[in-house]
Amino acid sequence: DAMVIQNPRYQVTQFGKPVTLSCSQTLNHNVMYWYQQKSSQAPKLLFHYYDKDFNNEADTPDNFQSRRPNTSFCFLDIRSPGLGDAAMYLCATSRVGGRTGSNSPLHFGNGTRLTVT
Amino acid sequence: QQPVQSPQAVILREGEDAVINCSSSKALYSVHWYRQKHGEAPVFLMILLKGGEQKGHDKISASFNEKKQQSSLYLTASQLSYSGTYFCGTVGSDSWGKLQFGAGTQVVVTP
Repeated sequence: DAMVIQNPRYQVTQFGKPVTLSCSQTLNHNVMYWYQQKSSQAPKLLFHYYDKDFNNEADTPDNFQSRRPNTSFCFLDIRSPGLGDAAMYLCATSRVGGRTGSNSPLHFGNGTRLTVT
Repeated sequence: QQPVQSPQAVILREGEDAVINCSSSKALYSVHWYRQKHGEAPVFLMILLKGGEQKGHDKISASFNEKKQQSSLYLTASQLSYSGTYFCGTVGSDSWGKLQFGAGTQVVVTP
């Protein structure tokens, strides 16, 4: 089945120790998103890739970086995790046609729950 | 800009109806609705694209008033499986492909 896969499911890191979360998709979607979701809050968009075009949200901290080496894979790098970065990180994909906006659903992975000790 | 959802939470008995509202201060291209169960990823319910359009998913339906930048989700004859947090997500007319979620509405359906 075509899907979005996030690894690992749970990640524990130490304060200040760099960590990388990964996401892969078999849907061949051109857009990939990273969302941060804290307990009882809405998913918050960090950035997204439209093909290779990277789009950063204005309030995404510099501590967060992303890479998309090819259509199928996307990585979230947290350079120096703080206690406030503990959250569920959700990767999602969609197919967006040109500049007509999003009329296709987001397909989410199961998320990576990050704990910072 | 994050859309505004109301109410924050609703408790229903099985078989009762509920309405969840979502509004935005900016012109919208589309409105998405997702449901998230505890510890799981959000699951897509439906997308609405045009003013006044209504869609349905089982006994869950939604409307979109493009002129008012508002959408409503209708839970009809609720089932226990409807429990979860419902998020609306909006795509602005000037921000293609970028979905911003509302704060969510927690729905609890009791027997």
